[in-house]
Amino acid sequence: GQQVMQIPQYQHVQEGEDFTTYCNSSTTLSNIQWYKQRPGGHPVFLIQLVKSGEVKKQKRLTFQFGEAKKNSSLHITATQTTDVGTYFCAGPGAGNNRKLIWGLGTSLAVNP
Amino acid sequence: DTGVSQNPRHKITKRGQNVTFRCDPISEHNRLYWYRQTLGQGPEFLTYFQNEAQLEKSRLLSDRFSAERPKGSFSTLEIQRTEQGDSAMYLCASSSDLTRSYEQYFGPGTRLTVT
Repeated sequence: GQQVMQIPQYQHVQEGEDFTTYCNSSTTLSNIQWYKQRPGGHPVFLIQLVKSGEVKKQKRLTFQFGEAKKNSSLHITATQTTDVGTYFCAGPGAGNNRKLIWGLGTSLAVNP
Repeated sequence: DTGVSQNPRHKITKRGQNVTFRCDPISEHNRLYWYRQTLGQGPEFLTYFQNEAQLEKSRLLSDRFSAERPKGSFSTLEIQRTEQGDSAMYLCASSSDLTRSYEQYFGPGTRLTVT
């Protein structure tokens, strides 16, 4: 079945260092979404990418969608302690139900 | 707009008991999703409603699980004869067909502990 994989599973950085998480889908995606879940919280929508090769920025966060629309990345420049959490990518499953297939997430820890 | 709400936030129950959770989506959202999440995992899809119609149910969901959305507004998720393996966070999310975006808005979740 359709799968979405993320690497790394965990990342520990010093505050100020950069961070990147990668997402790969077993199938071509019409779009990909990124969510952030703080410890003890629920997933919160960050962004949706739709176009092949699309790059979007949100302050220190840069999101990319691959040319083949099967992979994506999230890069955080100069991490801060507020960036701590788990970052999930998710892509729509087959069919018209808008069900999302989720990666396992990358947990980011930031040392002050 | 008060966002997605879920009740209760926490539930502790003994094995074999039945539990019911409620989700109130964002009022204008016609799509509603239930997920289950365990520690270190991503949300696992359970079931999905478009308005009051339940359009898909995960094959992972046993017959002990049932969900309803009787008037296309709030939804309930019932687990009968709970087992320890049912312990998890149960998340509800909603979205709208009126936007081209697939973004889903999540509630705070109901954490179930089966003893």
